[in-house]
Amino acid sequence: KAGVTQTPRYLIKTRGQQVTLSCSPISGHRSVSWYQQTPGQGLQFLFEYFSETQRNKGNFPGRFSGRQFSNSRSEMNVSTLELGDSALYLCASSLDVTGRNNEQFFGPGTRLTVL
Amino acid sequence: AQSVTQPDIHITVSEGASLELRCNYSYGATPYLFWYVQSPGQGLQLLLKYFSGDTLVQGIKGFEAEFKRSQSSFNLRKPSVHWSDAAEYFCAVGSYGGSQGNLIFGKGTKLSVKP
Repeated sequence: KAGVTQTPRYLIKTRGQQVTLSCSPISGHRSVSWYQQTPGQGLQFLFEYFSETQRNKGNFPGRFSGRQFSNSRSEMNVSTLELGDSALYLCASSLDVTGRNNEQFFGPGTRLTVL
Repeated sequence: AQSVTQPDIHITVSEGASLELRCNYSYGATPYLFWYVQSPGQGLQLLLKYFSGDTLVQGIKGFEAEFKRSQSSFNLRKPSVHWSDAAEYFCAVGSYGGSQGNLIFGKGTKLSVKP
């Protein structure tokens, strides 16, 4: 069973540009979450989607947006990039959103560098 | 507000020695608690989780953790560390009954293993 796939794995952009990151969840998983990981702030929750609906959103500016498609694949977009957006962006998928047997599986991440 | 504290930024242990990584959480209700491990350049892998019931939880790779409500702690332990355990370890809390896709992570503890 294939794991969570994130593309691209590495990305270099310049300030002011926008970027789109993609996440393909494990087959059958309907929930996708996104996290930003930086050395200073650690792991911070960005969004959670389930069946194409955003269930939760973290405390990030409106430049950060996301969506989920009918096949559960998800994309996140960052507009007007800032230097501080340089980070590892992690995607996680799970079958459902609750339940003691529910488990999140993380992808390898997309390393975004903003110059 | 919910929060997770991992007091130790970096720990070094000798191979074969025992390990305990500390985690304290702040949460108003009964939390879901998790320990994840991240190797360099990799995503997060779930080691173990606590939802309810037995306060001593067994995980993968020989790890265990004990939930102590009175101390708001969920410390991770391993009786004998292997060189391959060198990685960064993250404690996380999720809302009981709520979404598990919206985790709050500690800042992590980096584990180094001496031969």
